Amino acid sequence: AQKVTQAQTEISVVEKEDVTLDCVYETRDTTYYLFWYKQPPSGELVFLIRRNSFDEQNEISGRYSWNFQKSTSSFNFTITASQVVDSAVYFCALSETGGGNKLTFGTGTQLKVEL
Amino acid sequence: KAGVTQTPRYLIKTRGQQVTLSCSPISGHRSVSWYQQTPGQGLQFLFEYFSETQRNKGNFPGRFSGRQFSNSRSEMNVSTLELGDSALYLCASSEKTVGSNLEQFFGPGTRLTVL
Repeated sequence: AQKVTQAQTEISVVEKEDVTLDCVYETRDTTYYLFWYKQPPSGELVFLIRRNSFDEQNEISGRYSWNFQKSTSSFNFTITASQVVDSAVYFCALSETGGGNKLTFGTGTQLKVEL
Repeated sequence: KAGVTQTPRYLIKTRGQQVTLSCSPISGHRSVSWYQQTPGQGLQFLFEYFSETQRNKGNFPGRFSGRQFSNSRSEMNVSTLELGDSALYLCASSEKTVGSNLEQFFGPGTRLTVL
């Protein structure tokens, strides 16, 4: 069965600090997809990134970067020079090609960025 | 393009009643999925519809049902409401290509409170 673990329940940082959110997944499929979503206080889940299991290239988008390592089944997310607007709950999710579009979410990491 | 819309945004019901929630996907998206979010259980997959057919279903009792119309709009219904059904219900839509799970875009959710 598929499973996503986000061991960090809550992280607090001071603005401009770098922060890494951890995500570890379990799946028996050889083809799968990993996602990160952001949920600000407004409640709407905002899509950040999608990565398929055959693409282990790290990705950078502005202050955001993702490190995908199949050897450790991890898909970690780093925010560089954090800002107050980054405060939100961040979810890592997994979907398997045999499961349609079903997303299995981790429990989320609450990130608080303070001045 | 307009985003995913959900109606109503807030709903208060009493135990034993039934409720219908509505979701309009992004134009051109044919896959619609529903998720339940609670503080205790987190984000859990309810079901997915594609071309008016249920493709996948999560581990929820039969009181939870859904359907999709020819214009891709979807509704979910919960009958005989229980206190534990109080949650944020999120709808997500995506384009669908064979063999590839694309990113899902979420609506703002319907906050259901059961008294």
